[in-house]
Amino acid sequence: EDQVTQSPEALRLQEGESSSLNCSYTVSGLRGLFWYRQDPGKGPEFLFTLYSAGEEKEKERLKATLTKKESFLHITAPKPEDSATYLCAVQEGQGAQKLVFGQGTRLTINP
Amino acid sequence: KAGVTQTPRYLIKTRGQQVTLSCSPISGHRSVSWYQQTPGQGLQFLFEYFSETQRNKGNFPGRFSGRQFSNSRSEMNVSTLELGDSALYLCASSLGVGNGYTFGSGTRLTVV
Repeated sequence: EDQVTQSPEALRLQEGESSSLNCSYTVSGLRGLFWYRQDPGKGPEFLFTLYSAGEEKEKERLKATLTKKESFLHITAPKPEDSATYLCAVQEGQGAQKLVFGQGTRLTINP
Repeated sequence: KAGVTQTPRYLIKTRGQQVTLSCSPISGHRSVSWYQQTPGQGLQFLFEYFSETQRNKGNFPGRFSGRQFSNSRSEMNVSTLELGDSALYLCASSLGVGNGYTFGSGTRLTVV
């Protein structure tokens, strides 16, 4: 069965202190790995989709990378507004529009 | 461009009752998926509809059901509500296979 494990569960950083979030996955036939950001009381907001090992995508202070077994979300010089829960999800199989989510990493950026 | 719209935003129901939640996808999106989010289990897949057909179903009891209309709008129904059904129910729409998913803000269901 597909599994997605995110670490750490929670992370506190000072403003400007760069770090990385990890997403390890086990899936038979990865069709896509997704990163979302979720603020309290809101639905997940799409950040990136990665499809193959070696792929990288960037958006402002965020950069996502993918290997055959894990993905990293690098946050460079974060600001307090980057505080949120970051969710990783995988999509497997042909035609299956089902995402399997990790438990998320709750990120807090202190000013 | 309008996003995914879910109604109502909040709902309080009593054990044993039934509830219907609504989702209007982004215009042109034909795939609609539903997820349940709880603090203990995280986000879990309920089911997915494409062109009015259920293509995938998660590991939830038969009390959870859904449907999709010809305009791609979708509803999910939970019958005989239990306390454990209290959760944030999220709807996501997509153009289809190989495309990303856009989530709505969710419906917060509280069962008392």
